[in-house]
Amino acid sequence: GEDVEQSLFLSVREGDSSVINCTYTDSSSTYLYWYKQEPGAGLQLLTYIFSNMDMKQDQRLTVLLNKKDKHLSLRIADTQTGDSAIYFCAEPLRGYNKLIFGAGTRLAVHP
Amino acid sequence: GAVVSQHPSRVICKSGTSVKIECRSLDFQATTMFWYRQFPKQSLMLMATSNEGSKATYEQGVEKDKFLINHASLTLSTLTVTSAHPEDSSFYICSARAQVEAFFGQGTRLTVV
Repeated sequence: GEDVEQSLFLSVREGDSSVINCTYTDSSSTYLYWYKQEPGAGLQLLTYIFSNMDMKQDQRLTVLLNKKDKHLSLRIADTQTGDSAIYFCAEPLRGYNKLIFGAGTRLAVHP
Repeated sequence: GAVVSQHPSRVICKSGTSVKIECRSLDFQATTMFWYRQFPKQSLMLMATSNEGSKATYEQGVEKDKFLINHASLTLSTLTVTSAHPEDSSFYICSARAQVEAFFGQGTRLTVV
């Protein structure tokens, strides 16, 4: 079945890089997403990557995709306190427009 | 980027009453919108797919008579929680896709007392 898995918690020091990992199940997914959720708020689309790409960089964000291992990662360079949030990866359910989400990784940034 | 607006952001209602939540795509047309529910410290659970001009498609275990969905136009979908009970208290989030990107509303915190 479809399942997206993430580690639940990550703690980093301000200024360091954060790497959030995700594994997904549907090898036919054409694109994969990363969302950020701050407390009490909706989801903010951070970035997405097409399945024919290995890497996508957008300012401080770098997405790496390993299709063979069905592994997706989000790297945040120079992590700031404002980056503290929950990060979700998501993939489209096979044949549908709807997204399946991981459990979310809570990123805590400390001084 | 495209914007999805959800209203209200918070609502408190009495047990037994109904609550309507609106989801609008502000600068694009969405033939399909999605409604999710999120429990504290948990991921998003898809409730239903809202289809413009036709009936919504509900996920397994979601009561369609309890959660009424109307998608009357290409920019508006509504979710009505009927005869709300305390166990319906949750964070409800809508989503709409503009081509590849899927955008989310700000969410509605529903508290049933």
